Amino acid sequence: KAGVTQTPRYLIKTRGQQVTLSCSPISGHRSVSWYQQTPGQGLQFLFEYFSETQRNKGNFPGRFSGRQFSNSRSEMNVSTLELGDSALYLCASSLVPSDGQETQYFGPGTRLLVL
Amino acid sequence: GENVEQHPSTLSVQEGDSAVIKCTYSDSASNYFPWYKQELGKRPQLIIDIRSNVGEKKDQRIAVTLNKTAKHFSLHITETQPEDSAVYFCAASKRGDYKLSFGAGTTVTVRA
Repeated sequence: KAGVTQTPRYLIKTRGQQVTLSCSPISGHRSVSWYQQTPGQGLQFLFEYFSETQRNKGNFPGRFSGRQFSNSRSEMNVSTLELGDSALYLCASSLVPSDGQETQYFGPGTRLLVL
Repeated sequence: GENVEQHPSTLSVQEGDSAVIKCTYSDSASNYFPWYKQELGKRPQLIIDIRSNVGEKKDQRIAVTLNKTAKHFSLHITETQPEDSAVYFCAASKRGDYKLSFGAGTTVTVRA
């Protein structure tokens, strides 16, 4: 099976712009989670989607949003970009057991640089 | 929310020696504990995980132990090899939370 894929892999934006990142989960996986990775804050949970519904959201401002499509693909959007949004954005997918504790498989990430 | 602390932040070992990384968690309801390895410029990859109904799990040179009473779990790598050099993250999750809470990571360097 193909792994989790993310596009684009690299992105440079300027402050105030918005950006949309895309994630395609492993075939058959229906849960998609997003994480932000920075040297200072480590890996932080953004949100998780299953069946087009957000089931949990991390402690990020409303500028960070996401959605999931009927084919389980997911997008996240960051509006009004700030310098501090520069990070590696990782998507992870998993099968969906009832307890939400299936193994999460990560994509290669999208490296966002905000100038 | 869940708080996961990971120690040490850096670890340098001689090839062939063992490496131990320790994590503590705050939420006693957490019951799933995966470990990820992230090589430079690559994605985190699951290397081993343990659930709270098990005290220890082993996979070749890697083992994880869990102490629910003390709320800590550890990763043990034996007979370290240069390819074990990477950043290792521990994480914790609880039923119905649908997220992983990560430790800050440990940079492991295996000296040849």
